[in-house]
Amino acid sequence: QSVLTQPPSVSAAPGQKVTISCSGSSSNIVNSYVSWYQQLPGTAPKLLIYDNNKRPSGIPDRFSGSKSGTSATLGITGLQTGDEADYYCATWDSSLGDVVFGGGTKLTVL
Amino acid sequence: QLQLQESGPGLVKPSETLSLTCTVSNGSISSSNYYWGWIRQPPGKGLEWIGSMYYSGGTYYNPSLKSRVIISVDTSKNHFSLKLSSVTAADTAVYYCARHKGVFIVGRHWFDPWGQGTLVTVSS
Repeated sequence: QSVLTQPPSVSAAPGQKVTISCSGSSSNIVNSYVSWYQQLPGTAPKLLIYDNNKRPSGIPDRFSGSKSGTSATLGITGLQTGDEADYYCATWDSSLGDVVFGGGTKLTVL
Repeated sequence: QLQLQESGPGLVKPSETLSLTCTVSNGSISSSNYYWGWIRQPPGKGLEWIGSMYYSGGTYYNPSLKSRVIISVDTSKNHFSLKLSSVTAADTAVYYCARHKGVFIVGRHWFDPWGQGTLVTVSS
């Protein structure tokens, strides 16, 4: 059981917007930076967001990240069928001394 | 662009040591400000950080695995390695290597890019 809680699944129609939450605590999200990863079926994870809200080169601005208190959120606008994937948040947990990942959220584009 | 590729046995017997290597291409493993890390993913499950090492030394390990893990870097071969001892079936997973941007003092971490991953099965 991860210390970061994500909804197991979310879904939305093509062209719509979806948000994925990542809930933590004062020992992780509050005082650390959050990153987000996209894992397409059968492939390695890919960095989507780092430092809470920054996008690496090549990541479209349809993807956004935010953080407030003990939670972080990944937003995806203009959903495409190619966005169907598992999404993971990650951060540092100072109590555990560990880089921790959320349990992952499966996005379905209906 | 920077590429990473894992290699090693796909099958390891229980109680033995799992050994994997990650070869870095199109870039130097001696790049400053980056660690080199390992992450694993059991079949159908989520991601778990194993540990990371800076090219000049300095390692950080997942506390739950620390007693069994050794990560090393060979700058002459531009690769880094993972050894996980006393494996059990619970260590069956896809193992990924990745470049790790880590600023541990402020809890700033991300992994990019990742290798394609290699499945290691622990079975007799």
